[in-house]
Formats: sequence, C-alpha cells, structure tokens
Amino acid sequence: DQQVKQNSPSLSVQEGRISILNCDYTNSMFDYFLWYKKYPAEGPTFLISISSIKDKNEDGRFTVFLNKSAKHLSLHIVPSQPGDSAVYFCAVYTGNQFYFGTGTSLTVIP
Amino acid sequence: DSGVTQTPKHLITATGQRVTLRCSPRSGDLSVYWYQQSLDQGLQFLIQYYNGEERAKGNILERFSAQQFPDLHSELNLSSLELGDSALYFCASSLIAGVANEQFFGPGTRLTVL
Repeated sequence: DQQVKQNSPSLSVQEGRISILNCDYTNSMFDYFLWYKKYPAEGPTFLISISSIKDKNEDGRFTVFLNKSAKHLSLHIVPSQPGDSAVYFCAVYTGNQFYFGTGTSLTVIP
Repeated sequence: DSGVTQTPKHLITATGQRVTLRCSPRSGDLSVYWYQQSLDQGLQFLIQYYNGEERAKGNILERFSAQQFPDLHSELNLSSLELGDSALYFCASSLIAGVANEQFFGPGTRLTVL
C-alpha cells in the first residue's frame, strides 16, 4: 500500500522553463517531507525538505510547496537546466520511518 | 561521491541462496539505513541502525537481517532468496539518528536472483 504516490513517471521540460513535480500522500499525520534527486548509477541525493508547519520552502532554484488539506506536495525548479535531468523522489519521514514515492524521471531539453 | 561505500556493486545468485551486502558509512556517521528499490517501486525503507543498535524497522522480510558492527560498518543478510528479491539495495548514513535530510546514500548494490 503506497503511502506516497508520484503519479507521473516522467516529465520533459525545455531548458529555462519551470519544472513541476508532484507527489500525493495518504496520511494527514505525516509531518516532514523531502525531495531527493537520483542520477543513474548513483544513490539518491537530498535536495530540499519541508515540515508540516510551513507551506513553502525555497533553496535557490528549488521550491517545495505543501498543501496539507489536499495532502499534496510539489517541487518547482526554476529555471530548469539540463543538469537537472534525473529521477526525483518525494519522501515522508515520520516516526522513524521513511516512505518514498516511485519517482519521476525529469528530462530537461536544451 | 557521498563517502558511503557499498560492496559488491553487482551480485548474481540463484534462488534459495544467501548473500551478504556490506556498507561502510561516511567517516563519523553513527547511523546506517538500508533501502530496497525494486523495478517498479520506489525506495522501500528496510531498517536503521544507530551506533550498533537497531533503531527503526520498515518493510524488512523475516528472511532478511542486518547488523551494525563496532567499527560502524553494516551488513545486510538476505537468505532463501526469491526471484522477487532482485533489486537495488542502497545503504545510507547520517551523523545522528532522526534527521532525515542529512542522509548520504551509497551507490547501491544490484542484486539479481536467477
């Protein structure tokens, strides 16, 4: 039973435009959310996080939005760069447990 | 390079066999996490150790076990292997427990069960 869902397996975006990656979760009690980026043949790398007391967190070109009423999380990348091409996983950390989505493969076209 | 090393990189074995995956955390990190990534699934959290003690358990099968040694390296033992155990197994480490964004992942071990 998937606690965290990423319904778009892939996304293609032109360089310089905005990339929006989406994630839905099932449990309204979840309180800490993360995004990881993964390149082929490497392990995931932490990107950005947000706690449930906030609805937005920014770090450079990356912004995470949290909509608690919709149980929805999104990652915005602006502007998108070819080096952002990777698989992006959203994750939830709660009660010492981690739940990851299945990932969205982002391709940024030069 | 995250500083987390995993050996072997690839492992091919047969059903019913037993294998051991090894992880060396980043220097100074006390906590080790194990994850499984199957073909059509996201990362599944298996288990966490902190300074030699089991701290949290996720979706780890009874056929799987892990331990963290005094030198802080960790091993994941998979026994009575089934075809469905074929997956990428990641290890991650962090300085302390309970701080999810400070996990550093190794490159993974790809296990193929034939």
